Amino acid sequence: QSVLTQPPSASGTPGQRVTISCSGSSSNIGSSILHWYQQLPGTAPKLLIYSDNQRPSGVPDRFSGSKSGTSASLAISGLQSEDEADYYCAAWDDSLNGYVFGTGTKVTVL
Amino acid sequence: EVELLESGGGLLQPGGSLRLSCAASGFTFSGYAMAWVRQAPGKGLEWVSCIVNGGGITYYADSVKGRFTVSRDNSKNTLYLQMNSLRAEDTAIYYCAKLRGAVTWSNYYFDYWGQGTMVTVSS
Repeated sequence: QSVLTQPPSASGTPGQRVTISCSGSSSNIGSSILHWYQQLPGTAPKLLIYSDNQRPSGVPDRFSGSKSGTSASLAISGLQSEDEADYYCAAWDDSLNGYVFGTGTKVTVL
Repeated sequence: EVELLESGGGLLQPGGSLRLSCAASGFTFSGYAMAWVRQAPGKGLEWVSCIVNGGGITYYADSVKGRFTVSRDNSKNTLYLQMNSLRAEDTAIYYCAKLRGAVTWSNYYFDYWGQGTMVTVSS
């Protein structure tokens, strides 16, 4: 079961800014780095953001991450059709001694 | 280029056993912790297990503890997941992932993923 809560869906028109929230607790987001993954339809997840707000090489700067306390968010600015995917947040949970993923958010480009 | 190639998935009956493999290339396998993550059909991601680079420390999700065993052979650059007493709810795509980070697990993240192997448990 998912310990991190995300909205099930988000949408926007091309060029708009979309924000996805990720809510957790002091045992996970509050004490661990937060990472985000993008999963395009029919493919494996791909690292999008690590250490709360860092982008791996090759990830467009349209994607940005932030964290405050026990919540985090992923912003996609200048939304493009190829951004249509499922997005998951994740963190280590000290209470569970394991990684926890968010419930996932499906982003639709209208 | 980092590559992770899972194999060993298949269809089996409840109570059965299966061993998944993940062949790694493109990086120094013995230098990195590794993990298994699964995704049931139409569902979200669920972490299953992780193992330190030397193999001596492992962690498991409560849902698989006591039934699954993660191991690695650094001489073969291969990660394994032995799955016993399989249940219908274990049906999922199983992904192998490379971990990157430092010091404590709370600072690690999954930087590369394989394409996954499907495990179906059904009578």
